[in-house]
Amino acid sequence: DVKVTQSSRYLVKRTGEKVFLECVQDMDHENMFWYRQDPGLGLRLIYFSYDVKMKEKGDIPEGYSVSREKKERFSLILESASTNQTSMYLCASSVGVGRVAFFGQGTRLTVV
Amino acid sequence: SQQGEEDPQALSIQEGENATMNCSYKTSINNLQWYRQNSGRGLVHLILIRSNEREKHSGRLRVTLDTSKKSSSLLITASRAADTASYFCATDDNDYKLSFGAGTTVTVRA
Repeated sequence: DVKVTQSSRYLVKRTGEKVFLECVQDMDHENMFWYRQDPGLGLRLIYFSYDVKMKEKGDIPEGYSVSREKKERFSLILESASTNQTSMYLCASSVGVGRVAFFGQGTRLTVV
Repeated sequence: SQQGEEDPQALSIQEGENATMNCSYKTSINNLQWYRQNSGRGLVHLILIRSNEREKHSGRLRVTLDTSKKSSSLLITASRAADTASYFCATDDNDYKLSFGAGTTVTVRA
């Protein structure tokens, strides 16, 4: 059974903290994605990676960075968390172009 | 930028009725996909339709695709309480990334 695992379901952090959200997939997928989901806005792509050490900005990369040192792990970093980064964060992986994406269970991050 | 836009934003139906939701997109695509999200969880893939296909079925799901109108519809027949969820269309923009719309929230009343 395919699996994408996000390190936390719920996270509460303070403004200004550096925050790491981790995502691991066990399907040997080349592509990995980070989305944030906010009410009424749907899923917005933050960053994606189509290979190890490769990354590309999505639609809303400001305030975020990513790291992909190994194929199975894709980390999202909030360099200095702010309250407007309070959101649901979803990680996904896929193989090839236009293929099915498999999602993690989501991390609900609250920045106070 | 977000490619797909779902319509309506919300839908409330009685158990046993059919639910139809639509998706419009802007640029050419390889595939269009539909996903379901139960409250507070990750998305689960439902069905993928290729750009050269017009209709696809999977169980109680029926998806149509009209590339000339850049639109797709998802029909859920004989709805059940377990179908209560948000439904999203996703397009590949001829690229690695998937772009999602804001979704349609479906409530099935017992």
